[in-house]
Amino acid sequence: NAGVTQTPKFQVLKTGQSMTLQCAQDMNHEYMSWYRQDPGMGLRLIHYSVGAGITDQGEVPNGYNVSRSTTEDFPLRLLSAAPSQTSVYFCASSYSGTGYNSPLHFGNGTRLTVT
Amino acid sequence: EDQVTQSPEALRLQEGESSSLNCSYTVSGLRGLFWYRQDPGKGPEFLFTLYSAGEEKEKERLKATLTKKESFLHITAPKPEDSATYLCAVRRGSTLGRLYFGRGTQLTVWP
Repeated sequence: NAGVTQTPKFQVLKTGQSMTLQCAQDMNHEYMSWYRQDPGMGLRLIHYSVGAGITDQGEVPNGYNVSRSTTEDFPLRLLSAAPSQTSVYFCASSYSGTGYNSPLHFGNGTRLTVT
Repeated sequence: EDQVTQSPEALRLQEGESSSLNCSYTVSGLRGLFWYRQDPGKGPEFLFTLYSAGEEKEKERLKATLTKKESFLHITAPKPEDSATYLCAVRRGSTLGRLYFGRGTQLTVWP
């Protein structure tokens, strides 16, 4: 199993541009989520999904959209990039969103710079 | 407000010098406390889940323990390859799936 795969690894955008960060998992996990990691702060939840066709907002959803058309894929869309969205983005999945024995498994991140 | 606080922020140890990392939490309705290891340029790697006070889990030189208010990650006789950032996170029963993360402890083990 490849686990959680994120593409691209690095991206530079100009303010106002849009793009999609890709995330795919091959573990048949129901739950998928997007976090951002900024220096001096803990990982913060952007959006999450408990299954195909179901998504919801996390702690910092503004400026981002998600959709979940398949179990495997959970892309994150930046609608109009802003410098405040410069960050490292992690996709994570787990078998269940609520199970005790269901830790999140993370991809290796996309490092995004908005100029 | 729910909080997860890790201390110290950074820790430097000589190889073989044992120590502990702390994670204190004020989350209500705890539904699991998770420890992760993160290497530079990589995503967090799952280490342990603890469910209830008094529980302990071990993996090689690492042992995690849990009380009602905090968790400790004990590192026994560390090696340079244990150098990484260690993250603590908690899950609440009322917020579906979400993990609340601390800021991490950056551990450096020098030979």
